[in-house]
Amino acid sequence: QKEVEQNSGPLSVPEGAIASLNCTYSDRGSQSFFWYRQYSGKSPELIMFIYSNGDKEDGRFTAQLNKASQYVSLLIRDSQPSDSATYLCAVDNTDKLIFGTGTRLQVFP
Amino acid sequence: DGGITQSPKYLFRKEGQNVTLSCEQNLNHDAMYWYRQDPGQGLRLIYYSQIVNDFQKGDIAEGYSVSREKKESFPLTVTSAQKNPTAFYLCASSTRGRTASTDTQYFGPGTRLTVL
Repeated sequence: QKEVEQNSGPLSVPEGAIASLNCTYSDRGSQSFFWYRQYSGKSPELIMFIYSNGDKEDGRFTAQLNKASQYVSLLIRDSQPSDSATYLCAVDNTDKLIFGTGTRLQVFP
Repeated sequence: DGGITQSPKYLFRKEGQNVTLSCEQNLNHDAMYWYRQDPGQGLRLIYYSQIVNDFQKGDIAEGYSVSREKKESFPLTVTSAQKNPTAFYLCASSTRGRTASTDTQYFGPGTRLTVL
């Protein structure tokens, strides 16, 4: 069974700090990696995707991929209370995505 | 205004009844997916379809059925055989290809089903 693992949290960070969210996956053949944000009671929305080793930046968000170690992470700089949500990691598996159970982030003022 | 729509937003079902959840997209996406999400849990794949008139079972297909007669539509029927159907149901769509940009799935707003 191919798996995607995330710490469920909650991860609590003060406003303005960097939040670091991590995800590990089991299938070495995976090529594409996604981060979604899900507010309580809402559907997931895409933050960003990454498919090459290294960093990819988009505004306050940076995705990091290390295929050798089979992990992908999401850094949120200058965290805001509005960033408080559950962050889902997803990994491509041939013709579908496998989702982790998500990490709940709490940003306190 | 492109996007994915799901209806209804809330649905109440009596035990023993079949219900159908609607999912429509106007993004011209080839692939469509149905997920189930239980409180505090991740997304579990029920069924998916990469082309009209073809679909595959996901991890938890028992008690569910789908059809894909049109590219834009992928309705999900929750049958009476589904033992614990109360959950949040999410529909998603994507183009299909071999680059990350085309594998991205976009989600509808969801349907919250409650069995009374």
